[in-house]
Amino acid sequence: EAGVAQSPRYKIIEKRQSVAFWCNPISGHATLYWYQQILGQGPKLLIQFQNNGVVDDSQLPKDRFSAERLKGVDSTLKIQPAKLEDSAVYLCASSFGQGAFFGQGTRLTVV
Amino acid sequence: QKEVEQNSGPLSVPEGAIASLNCTYSDRGSQSFFWYRQYSGKSPELIMSIYSNGDKEDGRFTAQLNKASQYVSLLIRDSQPSDSATYLCAGASGGSYIPTFGRGTSLIVHP
Repeated sequence: EAGVAQSPRYKIIEKRQSVAFWCNPISGHATLYWYQQILGQGPKLLIQFQNNGVVDDSQLPKDRFSAERLKGVDSTLKIQPAKLEDSAVYLCASSFGQGAFFGQGTRLTVV
Repeated sequence: QKEVEQNSGPLSVPEGAIASLNCTYSDRGSQSFFWYRQYSGKSPELIMSIYSNGDKEDGRFTAQLNKASQYVSLLIRDSQPSDSATYLCAGASGGSYIPTFGRGTSLIVHP
C-alpha cells in the first residue's frame, strides 16, 4: 500500500514570496490533515479535511495560509506572503478511522 | 485549550533496559491516544494506539492508559540503540478524531 505522498521535499524562499505544497493521501482515506512542525516542537494542526469539506481550520492563519482539497483526494496548502516564522516542516497526514499516517513532509526555509 | 504534556528529556537508558515515557493530557473528552516515533529529520510514525483503560502490548511496546488520572505511558522493553528517537504522544477527542500532539520526549539508548 502506497503511503502519503508529499512534494516538494525541500523549499527555500524569500520572505513575502508565495509557496505551495502538495499532498496525495493514502487511497481510501477520507480524512486529511495538514500539520506544521517547528524544530523541537510537536506537530501543530493547521487544517483537517473530511472528504473535500473542512472540519477544523481554527489554527490556520487565514490571512496568509489557504488550503483546498478538490474532489476529496489531493490537497494543496499555500502560503502567501511567507514570513520568517513560517520556516518549519509541513506534514500531511491521512486516516481512515483513527490514527493518522504521515507523509515525509516538506521542509520550508524562509530567508 | 486541549493540551498534551510531555517531558522533553532527553531520557537516557542503557541498552536492554526498560524505557518509560510519560504523557498527561488536559481534555477529559479525549478518548483515543497514540504514540508516534520520530527519527531525526523524518516524519512521525504511528507505533501504538490505545482507547481504553489498562495496558496494550505489541511486541516490545506496552501502552498504558489511565483516564481517571489523565495519564498515558509507553514502555519499551529490551531497549535497543535503534529505538533512539523522539516519541510523540497524541490524544484525540471522541467526536473530532483530531490528534493533538505533545512536544515529544527524546529517548537515547546507549550501548
